[in-house]
Amino acid sequence: EPEVTQTPSHQVTQMGQEVILRCVPISNHLYFYWYRQILGQKVEFLVSFYNNEISEKSEIFDDQFSVERPDGSNFTLKIRSTKLEDSAMYFCASRGQPDEQFFGPGTRLTVL
Amino acid sequence: GENVEQHPSTLSVQEGDSAVIKCTYSDSASNYFPWYKQELGKRPQLIIDIRSNVGEKKDQRIAVTLNKTAKHFSLHITETQPEDSAVYFCARGESGGYQKVTFGTGTKLQVIP
Repeated sequence: EPEVTQTPSHQVTQMGQEVILRCVPISNHLYFYWYRQILGQKVEFLVSFYNNEISEKSEIFDDQFSVERPDGSNFTLKIRSTKLEDSAMYFCASRGQPDEQFFGPGTRLTVL
Repeated sequence: GENVEQHPSTLSVQEGDSAVIKCTYSDSASNYFPWYKQELGKRPQLIIDIRSNVGEKKDQRIAVTLNKTAKHFSLHITETQPEDSAVYFCARGESGGYQKVTFGTGTKLQVIP
């Protein structure tokens, strides 16, 4: 069964550094998402991406965040200047039809 | 708005008993209601979903009910087993298009052997 994959599984970075989190969605899916989950809390929507552009973003997704689909398979989330409060698990998801979103295993980001 | 309230936040049941988790939403445009199970350190996994054109759906020991008028939906797990222990999230979305899902706050279910 196809799965969403994410790399790395764990990223440790210093405050102020840039990080790029990578995702490979399921190959025939058209809709892509990033969510984050602070430890012990609920999953929060960050951004949705369709047809090579952002379709919706949350208040969390400020100017420090960006997404890109650089080729036909990867979907990346970049945080330009990380803050302590960016420490969380970041999940990528993709959706085909009809509605089910398939989540990747997540990247645990730790900002020191 | 699009928020989803979920209760209870924690739930302990004896093995073999039933567990019920309830959610409410406010956005009338909501018509897709998935439920996710998340084990510690793992990804959310869809266990069942329901769309607004049905009131109930069952899959083995798991059932969901939806009252669209009252904007309530519930997850029922019967004959609970220790491996059902996890955090369960309800969510809402709008079927079709590129819509996100909005998660509830989660229920930590503990099934005591």
